[in-house]
Amino acid sequence: KQEVTQIPAALSVPEGENLVLNCSFTDSAIYNLQWFRQDPGKGLTSLLLIQSSQREQTSGRLNASLDKSSGRSTLYIAASQPGDSATYLCAVANSGGYQKVTFGTGTKLQVIP
Amino acid sequence: NAGVTQTPKFQVLKTGQSMTLQCAQDMNHNSMYWYRQDPGMGLRLIYYSASEGTTDKGEVPNGYNVSRLNKREFSLRLESAAPSQTSVYFCASSPGRLTPQHFGDGTRLSIL
Repeated sequence: KQEVTQIPAALSVPEGENLVLNCSFTDSAIYNLQWFRQDPGKGLTSLLLIQSSQREQTSGRLNASLDKSSGRSTLYIAASQPGDSATYLCAVANSGGYQKVTFGTGTKLQVIP
Repeated sequence: NAGVTQTPKFQVLKTGQSMTLQCAQDMNHNSMYWYRQDPGMGLRLIYYSASEGTTDKGEVPNGYNVSRLNKREFSLRLESAAPSQTSVYFCASSPGRLTPQHFGDGTRLSIL
């Protein structure tokens, strides 16, 4: 059974700092990996989707990498801003059907002005 | 664009009552999903619908039923609510298979 772990559970950084969020998974036979952002009281917003054949994806100040062999993905946020404060979740999809998407419990990020 | 719309946003029920959570998407997506989110457990799939007219069980389907009314709408029904069903429920959709990409803002459900 796929297990997805995100450490740390919470992170506080000063504005302007570059930071890395981590996601690890136990089954490397994945179909894709997706990073989401969740603001308090809101749904999830998809940030980046990495297919299993890709090594990384970039969108603006965000860069996500994928290393299947080690079961790890990182989300790099450059020049953090207070508006980046949110919970970030990763979700791993394994081959085999819709029920094979496993979510991590997220990293709650606070960017301090 | 509205995206994925869920109603109601909040609801309090008594044990044994029934209710239906509504979800509609305006992106012409084929696939729709219902998840629940509980503290410390991540999102768990309740039911999904790969296309109009089809539904299938996810990881935690017990106590729930669903209806894919048409391509736009996917409802979740609790027939006899239990305190263990207190949670935040999210509906999601995607154009293709497997991976949810667009989420509603959730329904916060408390069962006393």
